[in-house]
Amino acid sequence: DVVMTQTPLSSPVTLGQPASISCRSSQSLVHTDGNTYLSWLQQRPGQPPRLLIYKISNRFSGVPDRFSGSGAGTDFALKISRVEAEDVAVYYCMQATQFPHTFGQGTKLEIK
Amino acid sequence: EVQVVESGGGSVEPGGSLTLSCAASGFIFSNAWMSWVRQTPGKGLEWIGRIKSYSAGGTTDYAAPVKGRFTISRDDSKNTLYLQMNSLKTEDTAVYYCTTSPAPGVDYWGQGTLVTVSS
Repeated sequence: DVVMTQTPLSSPVTLGQPASISCRSSQSLVHTDGNTYLSWLQQRPGQPPRLLIYKISNRFSGVPDRFSGSGAGTDFALKISRVEAEDVAVYYCMQATQFPHTFGQGTKLEIK
Repeated sequence: EVQVVESGGGSVEPGGSLTLSCAASGFIFSNAWMSWVRQTPGKGLEWIGRIKSYSAGGTTDYAAPVKGRFTISRDDSKNTLYLQMNSLKTEDTAVYYCTTSPAPGVDYWGQGTLVTVSS
């Protein structure tokens, strides 16, 4: 199985400041069809996960443009340009390139 | 609006069985590939299996920890997905989510249903 490793596991940030989360996969996530199926999920306290970003950098419907994704191959990142209070959550990267789909351990974003 | 709503969770003793349901709406269920994912405090998010649409073969795939014990099925006439869980273990205790994927890596998640396996 592809192992997804996120860093950091906890990220205290100041409101209005940027935040960044890294995700590394144990194997390339480039699919045979040429796409890279790396997604980012947000899970707010008491809520189910919800999709933020798919195929590395595509924002899902309704996701604010302060969220952006980047990367290629095995190294990926999620960036929040200016953190707002509603961004307090656990963020997960997920790969859907190889079977079974696998998730990172999660990064807890909290306000300083 | 795409919606998936899980039900059927509860408490069961080790070795017991339980069947979860997932009612879908807002999309063409018969065309959808559906999955089950579970979440535990200790192991985080764990994808446990999926079923393809019948037009894609209707086949199922399972993660190793549940293979042979869990069965995913679907009833397209009822827009419902099922997860039959047999020989349950304490480590199967988790919140179980149903997801639908209109494209790889694009997943809509339900609210989840809690399964507790304990004596």
